[in-house]
Amino acid sequence: SSELTQDPAVSVALGQTVRITCQGDTLRNYYTSWYQQKPGQAPVLVIYGKNNRPSGIPDRFSVSSSGDTASLTITGAQAVDEADYHCQSRDKSGNHAIFGGGTKLTVL
Amino acid sequence: QLQLQESGPGLVKPSGTLSLSCTVSGDSISSTSYHWGWIRQTPGKGLEWIGNIYYSGTTFYSPSLKSRVTISIDTSKNQFSLKLNSLTAADTAVYFCARVGAHFYYYMDVWGKGTAVTVSS
Repeated sequence: SSELTQDPAVSVALGQTVRITCQGDTLRNYYTSWYQQKPGQAPVLVIYGKNNRPSGIPDRFSVSSSGDTASLTITGAQAVDEADYHCQSRDKSGNHAIFGGGTKLTVL
Repeated sequence: QLQLQESGPGLVKPSGTLSLSCTVSGDSISSTSYHWGWIRQTPGKGLEWIGNIYYSGTTFYSPSLKSRVTISIDTSKNQFSLKLNSLTAADTAVYFCARVGAHFYYYMDVWGKGTAVTVSS
């Protein structure tokens, strides 16, 4: 089955840059979307495709990809960025969504 | 402003069937640009995609849940629904509905607040 793997936890000092990664075979063929989720809230789409950010999402969020790994970069992390981040893409069929296990970001 | 709202029972019995609805306001569910999907999140864990439906009634289901899931759409009510049968404790989760962009990029851009479902006798 298709799987996406994320590090369970990452930390970053306030104002520094952090990269959150997502690894999976299908990422060689499909774009990744990223969601931010704070405790007790629904996920929020922060970026998809080639650096497409929904309205209201700051431009400190960006994405990149290499081979089977996609990365979400936060440049100048803020305290409000502390949250869980989930990656999502397609499975091998292209018709089904798959999610990574999520990464808990701590801003120190 | 597009909003999605889940509704349904918070407690269901093992071996029973979960029925949830998602009411869409601020946009037509008959839009040709989007699918409508269900996602769940078990306590303290990641997100799990359940399935999507298009306004035409075309459905896509998670292979791991396909045998137990039915998603339907009612364009007259601007609603879509989820049925999940043969429930076990492992189905205890927060269930979210979402608007899904799935034609080129694949993303869920608007989510409901989620509804917590517990499977217990």
